[in-house]
Amino acid sequence: NFMLTQPPSVSESPGKTVTISCTRSSGSIASTYVQWYQQRPGSAPTTVIYQDKQRPSGVPDRFSGSIDSSSNSASLTISGLKTEDEADYYCQSYDSSSQVFGGGTKLTVL
Amino acid sequence: EVQLLESGGGLVQPGGSLRLSCVASGFTFSNYAMSWVRQAPGKGLEWVSGISRSGTGTYYADSVKGRFTISRDHFKSTVFLQMNSLRAEDTAMYYCAKEIGSGSPWGRDYWGQGTRVAVSS
Repeated sequence: NFMLTQPPSVSESPGKTVTISCTRSSGSIASTYVQWYQQRPGSAPTTVIYQDKQRPSGVPDRFSGSIDSSSNSASLTISGLKTEDEADYYCQSYDSSSQVFGGGTKLTVL
Repeated sequence: EVQLLESGGGLVQPGGSLRLSCVASGFTFSNYAMSWVRQAPGKGLEWVSGISRSGTGTYYADSVKGRFTISRDHFKSTVFLQMNSLRAEDTAMYYCAKEIGSGSPWGRDYWGQGTRVAVSS
């Protein structure tokens, strides 16, 4: 099994850009897809990125995903931050024997 | 519009059983795998179990293997999670999720609102 490590928290001002990282402990980050989920306080998760960089319909293009093999990590970038983006964000990937979520990153927009 | 509606949660004593249900609508249920994901109070997300679109492939987290059973009914567009030998550490909100693919679970695109399970004496 492997782990996905995220920073516990990030903060940024409205209108700015923030990037949340997700580092895979073993195995290549590029070997399996990475998804990103948003969970606002008191709500169920929603999917904001799937297959590394694809956005579900209805997710604004302010949200983007990428993979960096050199650091074995995935990133979620949110541009033009809005107060409604304040939430917990989880990365997720898998291998042949397990499903793994990152520990989550609390984004504060202040 | 995709909708996933969970039910069946509640308070149960350690060692007891519960059966969760998730009724799906707004997509062709038989074309997609489904999963259950849980979240303990104040904690992160944990994938629990998944089932392929045909129902022949079932998958479990090590923490629930041998105690939980996932199944699906295509006529009712419903996925179930039978939970036996429940422990205090199974206390969580349980979310039903539609998988992006049709085979073994690898990522989900739609989530239900969840059903709460509390295991306590």
